[in-house]
Amino acid sequence: DQQVKQNSPSLSVQEGRISILNCDYTNSMFDYFLWYKKYPAEGPTFLISISSIKDKNEDGRFTVFLNKSAKHLSLHIVPSQPGDSAVYFCAANSGNTPLVFGKGTRLSVIA
Amino acid sequence: KAGVTQTPRYLIKTRGQQVTLSCSPISGHRSVSWYQQTPGQGLQFLFEYFSETQRNKGNFPGRFSGRQFSNSRSEMNVSTLELGDSALYLCASSLRGGSGYEQYFGPGTRLTVT
Repeated sequence: DQQVKQNSPSLSVQEGRISILNCDYTNSMFDYFLWYKKYPAEGPTFLISISSIKDKNEDGRFTVFLNKSAKHLSLHIVPSQPGDSAVYFCAANSGNTPLVFGKGTRLSVIA
Repeated sequence: KAGVTQTPRYLIKTRGQQVTLSCSPISGHRSVSWYQQTPGQGLQFLFEYFSETQRNKGNFPGRFSGRQFSNSRSEMNVSTLELGDSALYLCASSLRGGSGYEQYFGPGTRLTVT
């Protein structure tokens, strides 16, 4: 049972435009959500997180939106840059449970 | 602060052998988690240690084991290696682990089993 789903395996966006990456979850107990970026042969890099008491968190070009009723979160990258090309993972947990990761979305930003 | 370090970075072993991987967390972090990443499978959770105690365990066979030392450094061991164990093994550290605390990943150890 996949508790965290990223339904788009890949996404292509033009440089300068907005990238929107989506993530759905099924476990209503999740109360903390994170996004990571991963380049090949490297470990994931933490990008941004959001607690379930909020519906939006912003950090520079990155904004995460949380819709608890729809059990959906999204990551917006504005403006997109070629260096943003990577695999993006969303993850979630609650209490002392381990992080549960989606399978990732490969973002390609085209110059 | 120095980041999470993992050694070795690359390893080639033969089926049936055993292997030990090492992880040094960020200074002050007490939680260390291990993940296996294979193509198409995302990050699969192996186990988490907090203050030298295993706090969570994923759905992996008993051939996979780990431990944490008093300085928070952690090791994971895989015995009787199988071809399917070839993967990128990632270690992540967190101040306390659990909800509300980000995990920071090391570069990983690429294990190839032949």
